[in-house]
Amino acid sequence: NAGVTQTPKFRVLKTGQSMTLLCAQDMNHEYMYWYRQDPGMGLRLIHYSVGEGTTAKGEVPDGYNVSRLKKQNFLLGLESAAPSQTSVYFCASSYSMPAKGSQHFGDGTRLSIL
Amino acid sequence: KQEVTQIPAALSVPEGENLVLNCSFTDSAIYNLQWFRQDPGKGLTSLLLIQSSQREQTSGRLNASLDKSSGRSTLYIAASQPGDSATYLCAVSSSGGSNYKLTFGKGTLLTVNP
Repeated sequence: NAGVTQTPKFRVLKTGQSMTLLCAQDMNHEYMYWYRQDPGMGLRLIHYSVGEGTTAKGEVPDGYNVSRLKKQNFLLGLESAAPSQTSVYFCASSYSMPAKGSQHFGDGTRLSIL
Repeated sequence: KQEVTQIPAALSVPEGENLVLNCSFTDSAIYNLQWFRQDPGKGLTSLLLIQSSQREQTSGRLNASLDKSSGRSTLYIAASQPGDSATYLCAVSSSGGSNYKLTFGKGTLLTVNP
């Protein structure tokens, strides 16, 4: 029972490089989310999706883009990485909106931008 | 703007002790409050979810209470074990803001010593 799987688990980038983080869930959840977790800041929502083909901005969307072409996948892209984007990125999914139900989290992607 | 505070930031107890973790939030207009556990290098695991109309939820040795009017929640852990060592996060879903946003506290790092 995989749940939410994030790829890759670790990555080091140079400033200006681009990359895509992949999130896959096998629970047939409608809602998916990308968070970043930084020391002293807690988790902050970057972007989210309420269904296949939809995306919306969260609390800290600048510098990131997302796509949800398939219901089970939610991609987070960094077009031109900056040191400020060094963080641990978590993907989550849920059957219903946060107002009604819990979210299931992946194990995170640790990203360092040099 | 909803703010979530967790006290203490860190707690160390001997095995077998009962303990209480605290969470407070500034805006009482919430849908629900959740407690999560995060192990080092891992994602978040949902422990308990309390809807705004509920006063408490229990799961095994865990009991979470909610006092919405005062903006407080507690997580009670009975007969603590070394395996309970982790960071505990609370998060609220606020009815006054985006329905898709959870506001997280910064967590309490719990260490249970054998």
